[in-house]
Amino acid sequence: GAVVSQHPSRVICKSGTSVKIECRSLDFQATTMFWYRQFPKQSLMLMATSNEGSKATYEQGVEKDKFLINHASLTLSTLTVTSAHPEDSSFYICSARDGLASLEYFGPGTRLTVT
Amino acid sequence: GQNIDQPTEMTATEGAIVQINCTYQTSGFNGLFWYQQHAGEAPTFLSYNVLDGLEEKGRFSSFLSRSKGYSYLLLKELQMKDSASYLCAVGHSGGYQKVTFGTGTKLQVIP
Repeated sequence: GAVVSQHPSRVICKSGTSVKIECRSLDFQATTMFWYRQFPKQSLMLMATSNEGSKATYEQGVEKDKFLINHASLTLSTLTVTSAHPEDSSFYICSARDGLASLEYFGPGTRLTVT
Repeated sequence: GQNIDQPTEMTATEGAIVQINCTYQTSGFNGLFWYQQHAGEAPTFLSYNVLDGLEEKGRFSSFLSRSKGYSYLLLKELQMKDSASYLCAVGHSGGYQKVTFGTGTKLQVIP
């Protein structure tokens, strides 16, 4: 099956700093990638949809200036959490859609802890 | 908007069969997904139904009734490793296709 990687898998940062998370589709081209956030014992919440070559579409309540998304190529999307705060601590998961199918393939996730 | 309901928790015995139900309300329905998620890990794809009926894949089967807004995931010959959360997710269109996830059903398999 399709493979999506995410880096880093875990990151701890201090409050006020920025963190970049990379999402790569390894064996297919993904015109659309998605960024989710999952708090403990809750379901995945879509943050934004990342389209290659255009601006990301953010869900209601997600600050686009705080969560910067760049989809620079058909295999790479990045999420930068700017000026991180402890409440941003969460499990961030990306997914990539295979353009030939409707399936989303998830990355392994990035656990962010802001101290 | 979208509304997805599934039980919060279920317990079943190793070797048994368990059915996890999901009901949904959505506009622009474009398929129903089931994912398995172990604690601390990302979801893994289990099944996708876009037409009514039963899809069987090994020990897992998924059923969809679009008219009733209802789906279930059937797990047979339960194994301890099947202990996980099972997420029902609905694909829907609205400019572009999006997927909305339910809150998940935490399944505990006991000996």
